Amino acid sequence: TQLLEQSPQFLSIQEGENLTVYCNSSSVFSSLQWYRQEPGEGPVLLVTVVTGGEVKKLKRLTFQFGDARKDSSLHITAAQPGDTGLYLCAGALSSNTGKLIFGQGTTLQVKP
Amino acid sequence: EPEVTQTPSHQVTQMGQEVILRCVPISNHLYFYWYRQILGQKVEFLVSFYNNEISEKSEIFDDQFSVERPDGSNFTLKIRSTKLEDSAMYFCASRTDRVGYTFGSGTRLTVV
Repeated sequence: TQLLEQSPQFLSIQEGENLTVYCNSSSVFSSLQWYRQEPGEGPVLLVTVVTGGEVKKLKRLTFQFGDARKDSSLHITAAQPGDTGLYLCAGALSSNTGKLIFGQGTTLQVKP
Repeated sequence: EPEVTQTPSHQVTQMGQEVILRCVPISNHLYFYWYRQILGQKVEFLVSFYNNEISEKSEIFDDQFSVERPDGSNFTLKIRSTKLEDSAMYFCASRTDRVGYTFGSGTRLTVV
């Protein structure tokens, strides 16, 4: 069962462009996290959102949690080659469990 | 910055052999996890561990798998009789609150 659907799966853009990655589900999550994963490494936490409608900013990255807590987005402004990597969303269905459900990831390539 | 340390980074084993994957979580963390990622697939939850016992496990985590925290610092995942389909990256993670995961760099397990 695909609980978290990320789109697009692949994205190749030029330096300076903006982009948005989406994470959608039919399930309600108690929290949702975004990670970045480099080849051969573990996921590195970027942000956690817990409140419906919440917006968090991390430099040029803006994360939003949907009002119904079923979806989230990651927006990158003026992408740089250093943003190249795999971005993963992961959600916790319950605040009592730490178990995370991961999306399949979005591979971003930013060309100079 | 505190890290979750995993050893070995790469393990090659023959089918049917037992392997032990080792993890040293962050010292003040209370919740411990194993996830795996088969090449090209999503990160999948295996098991969570809290207060010296398994708190949740997935369907993947069958009788071939076991976890231990033998000495208060190490957290191990044992696979008793490896199968070809156990080949994957295995990630250990720990956290101290509901939302703050830290993942290790992973162990690449190759079963031949």
